[in-house]
Amino acid sequence: GENVEQHPSTLSVQEGDSAVIKCTYSDSASNYFPWYKQELGKGPQLIIDIRSNVGEKKDQRIAVTLNKTAKHFSLHITETQPEDSAVYFCAASGVNAGGTSYGKLTFGQGTILTVHP
Amino acid sequence: ETGVTQTPRHLVMGMTNKKSLKCEQHLGHNAMYWYKQSAKKPLELMFVYNFKEQTENNSVPSRFSPECPNSSHLFLHLHTLQPEDSALYLCASSQGRTYLEAFFGQGTRLTVV
Repeated sequence: GENVEQHPSTLSVQEGDSAVIKCTYSDSASNYFPWYKQELGKGPQLIIDIRSNVGEKKDQRIAVTLNKTAKHFSLHITETQPEDSAVYFCAASGVNAGGTSYGKLTFGQGTILTVHP
Repeated sequence: ETGVTQTPRHLVMGMTNKKSLKCEQHLGHNAMYWYKQSAKKPLELMFVYNFKEQTENNSVPSRFSPECPNSSHLFLHLHTLQPEDSALYLCASSQGRTYLEAFFGQGTRLTVV
């Protein structure tokens, strides 16, 4: 099955700096890579995702890059703000024999991001 | 609100109790999931339902029993749990088939005493 490794486990930055979180996956058939943000007392919330047919996607201050050859993808947050402090999870979705995944996500271990004012 | 509502938010139960967790989605999705989130562990997929049919059981012990009466509701029935089952239980939904985006509820914090 799929295995997702996420680093670092904790990340501390100053407000305004950039933050980068990296993930690697094992199943070359995976083709969908979402990132989730989980704030205290809440469920994970999808913030950005990327599919295997593109190498980069941006949405305002966040961006995700994907290297299918190396099987790794990264989350980049620029101009960090204190409200970016949360736990971030990467995930990868494999496919079943029928070619669909029904959202069966394998998650990384999570990164606790702290942005200091 | 994400459109996925879980109740209760917190639950404390003894090892001999029987309780149920409820999840309701208001997004018109066809697939629903139960995940377990323990401290210092990745989210673990437990069950997947697609169009009310269970399509995945990720080797979950029988003391956890899911029920999906329709595409909008999902239950997790609990009985004779162990203290190590204490965790945050998250429900999620997606449109199913080729639509992969999963939307999560806020979770039920379960403590087994």
